[in-house]
Amino acid sequence: EAGVVQSPRYKIIEKKQPVAFWCNPISGHNTLYWYRQNLGQGPELLIRYENEEAVDDSQLPKDRFSAERLKGVDSTLKIQPAELGDSAVYLCASSLDGEGTDTQYFGPGTRLTVL
Amino acid sequence: KNQVEQSPQSLIILEGKNCTLQCNYTVSPFSNLRWYKQDTGRGPVSLTIMTFSENTKSNGRYTATLDADTKQSSLHITASQLSDSASYICVVSVFGGYNKLIFGAGTRLAVHP
Repeated sequence: EAGVVQSPRYKIIEKKQPVAFWCNPISGHNTLYWYRQNLGQGPELLIRYENEEAVDDSQLPKDRFSAERLKGVDSTLKIQPAELGDSAVYLCASSLDGEGTDTQYFGPGTRLTVL
Repeated sequence: KNQVEQSPQSLIILEGKNCTLQCNYTVSPFSNLRWYKQDTGRGPVSLTIMTFSENTKSNGRYTATLDADTKQSSLHITASQLSDSASYICVVSVFGGYNKLIFGAGTRLAVHP
């Protein structure tokens, strides 16, 4: 079974530039998550989707971050414009339905460096 | 405030030795507690998931315990191997709504030969 796929794996940009990350979840998984992980910290939820619907985006900085999950499968996370503080690893995860003890499967992440 | 605290922050052990990692939480209402292993440059991988009624769960050389009364959990690694070098993250799920997960900062374990 293919795991969660993310691209690119690494991205270096200058501040104020836009950047986008792509995620392909495990086939059949309805729930998709985007997390940000700073060095030495645990992941922090940015947004959670149930199919196409964003059900929790309370931690998403909406002035510069946007996300979409068209057709309830792939998802993209965009930052425009990027700031120095956005340097982090962006993780995508998916699960069957996100309820109870449902297991989340994480992708390898995209390491973003903003110069 | 829902929080998960882990200790120690980092740990160095020799190959073949055992170790125990700690997790304290103040999450309420509680649904379940998970331990993840995160290798450097990779995403976290689930090791165990325990509900309120479970007080121990094993996955190979990994054994997790849960004391829901004191809101503490531990992860015990037996006969450590070099491949156990990773960060171990404790995650507590909030009951209700969309099953929000609260992540700890992790314990970074280094196993030396």
